This record gives sequence, structure tokens and C-alpha cells, in this order.
Amino acid sequence: DAGVTQSPTHLIKTRGQQVTLRCSPKSGHDTVSWYQQALGQGPQFIFQYYEEEERQRGNFPDRFSGHQFPNYSSELNVNALLLGDSALYLCASSRMDGNTGELFFGEGSRLTVL
Amino acid sequence: AQSVTQPDIHITVSEGASLELRCNYSYGATPYLFWYVQSPGQGLQLLLKYFSGDTLVQGIKGFEAEFKRSQSSFNLRKPSVHWSDAAEYFCAVGAGYDMRFGAGTRLTVKP
Repeated sequence: DAGVTQSPTHLIKTRGQQVTLRCSPKSGHDTVSWYQQALGQGPQFIFQYYEEEERQRGNFPDRFSGHQFPNYSSELNVNALLLGDSALYLCASSRMDGNTGELFFGEGSRLTVL
Repeated sequence: AQSVTQPDIHITVSEGASLELRCNYSYGATPYLFWYVQSPGQGLQLLLKYFSGDTLVQGIKGFEAEFKRSQSSFNLRKPSVHWSDAAEYFCAVGAGYDMRFGAGTRLTVKP
């Protein structure tokens, strides 16, 4: 049973560029959440996707956008990159009808903005 | 709004010694509580969770945690630490999109 997979694992961009990160949820999961984890901090909620729609959003600017596909996989897009966007981006999957709220995390995509 | 505080940024223990990592939360209702572990460069792995019932919960790798409503705490414990337990530990409260994480406690294990 494959867990949550993310790609790429590492990438380097320059300020002003755009980046796309990808996530495939755990088998049987229909909901994908994205988190940003800056160095030395806990994960911060960016947004959640379910049924191909953004359902909830954290305190992140519109430069952060996403998409969910019919197979439940998801993308995170960040435009006009800033130095402060350097972080580990974590994808977490879950089941919307699950009664535990438990999140299963991928290993993350490490973004460095120069 | 819910929040989590992990008072200890960094803890060092000797291998074989006992461990307790502290977590205090703020939540309006009966909380869902979690402990996750993160090894360097890795994602988060769930150690244990509490939803209801017995306030002492057992997790993987020999960890346990106790929910104390009166103290708004959910401390993580392990009776004997192994060198492989060195990692970052995160306490979290909430469920689904509403899950909030603490800033983490880094555990160093001395030989």
C-alpha cells in the first residue's frame, strides 16, 4: 500500500519564479492538505482540497494556489517566489468521511529560493 | 482558536534514560490530540493519537502519552530512550484541516 508520495524532493528556484509541487495521496484517501514548514518551526496549514475544490485555506496569500485532479492527486503552485517561501512543503492526505481526522504525511518537497 | 505550546525547544537525554516531552493545548471542545515524529529531511510519522476514552494512549516505538484535561496537557513519554529516537517531535491538536501543530521539540540522545 503506497503512502503519500510527493515530487520533486528538492528544488531550487530564484526570486520571482513560479513552482509546482505534486502530491499523490494514500490509497483510499480523497482529501489532500498542504502545509508549509519553515526551518525550525512546525507545519503551517496552507489549504485543503476535496472533490477538486479548495475547501479550507490558512493565512497564505493568493500567490499560493492549488488543484486537485479526479484521481485525488494534487498540485501546489506558488507564483512570484520570495526568499521567505523557502521551506519544506508537506502534503497530507485523509478521508473526508473519516471520523479520526488523522493526517498521513508525505516526505515533503524542499524548496530553496535564491 | 486552538493552539499548541511545546515549552521545550531542545532536550538532551542519555540513551536508556526516560523521556518526557511536554505539550499544552488550547481548544474549545474535546480535543483530538496527536504526536508526530520527524527525522531529518523526512515527513511526519504519527506516533499516537487521542480522541476519547482511556486517557493513557499507547503508540508505536514504545511511546505513550497521557491526556490531562485539567492541565490541558498531552505529554509524551518513553521509559527508555534509544539512539534512534533522536528526531523532532511535534504535538498537534484538532482534526483534518483544522489541525494545529506546536513548534516542535528536538530530541538529542547521548551515548
